[in-house]
Amino acid sequence: ETGVTQTPRHLVMGMTNKKSLKCEQHLGHNAMYWYKQSAKKPLELMFVYNFKEQTENNSVPSRFSPECPNSSHLFLHLHTLQPEDSALYLCASSQDTTNTEAFFGQGTRLTVV
Amino acid sequence: AQKVTQAQTEISVVEKEDVTLDCVYETRDTTYYLFWYKQPPSGELVFLIRRNSFDEQNEISGRYSWNFQKSTSSFNFTITASQVVDSAVYFCALSGTNTGNQFYFGTGTSLTVIP
Repeated sequence: ETGVTQTPRHLVMGMTNKKSLKCEQHLGHNAMYWYKQSAKKPLELMFVYNFKEQTENNSVPSRFSPECPNSSHLFLHLHTLQPEDSALYLCASSQDTTNTEAFFGQGTRLTVV
Repeated sequence: AQKVTQAQTEISVVEKEDVTLDCVYETRDTTYYLFWYKQPPSGELVFLIRRNSFDEQNEISGRYSWNFQKSTSSFNFTITASQVVDSAVYFCALSGTNTGNQFYFGTGTSLTVIP
């Protein structure tokens, strides 16, 4: 138990569906992140939020839409995804954005059909 | 540019053997941080260690040890007397002072410990 909880753990969705991934951290951290992990590739940083403000958007397609209502919760809204978006999506949190270690959730295994 | 290379894609060892996972990094930052994470089959990345660029002292934690050498830009990880529970994918990561907390991960090394 790392203090970062992601739901759902598995998700299968069609290309026309709309779904959301949820992440919650109980560590009192101020920064939260979304990463994408595809097979045989390095983890890709998607979004960074620090004190609820988005500070990084690494050229992520608009079919991925993040939301951070408070420092403890982070969402990733998905719509009209493509099969190549199938991956493990990992949420992480850290105390701040000054090179402190990040704590990761167990991820959501997303399959787009 | 920031880059982390883990040249070993997959390693298999027999239980109780020692194993070293290699990590080579590139950075232009003078101050940076190196990390190792473990990803068991359950999926989450488990933090193992963080070192800053000014601290080249080797570190030992139980069966785990880390060898940081700036001269060769390497941060290798050794597991002594491996156990089946050590089977996982291990990631090395780099974070620089000019990149906020953006981690640059290697592609990971999949370790299988055979009983």
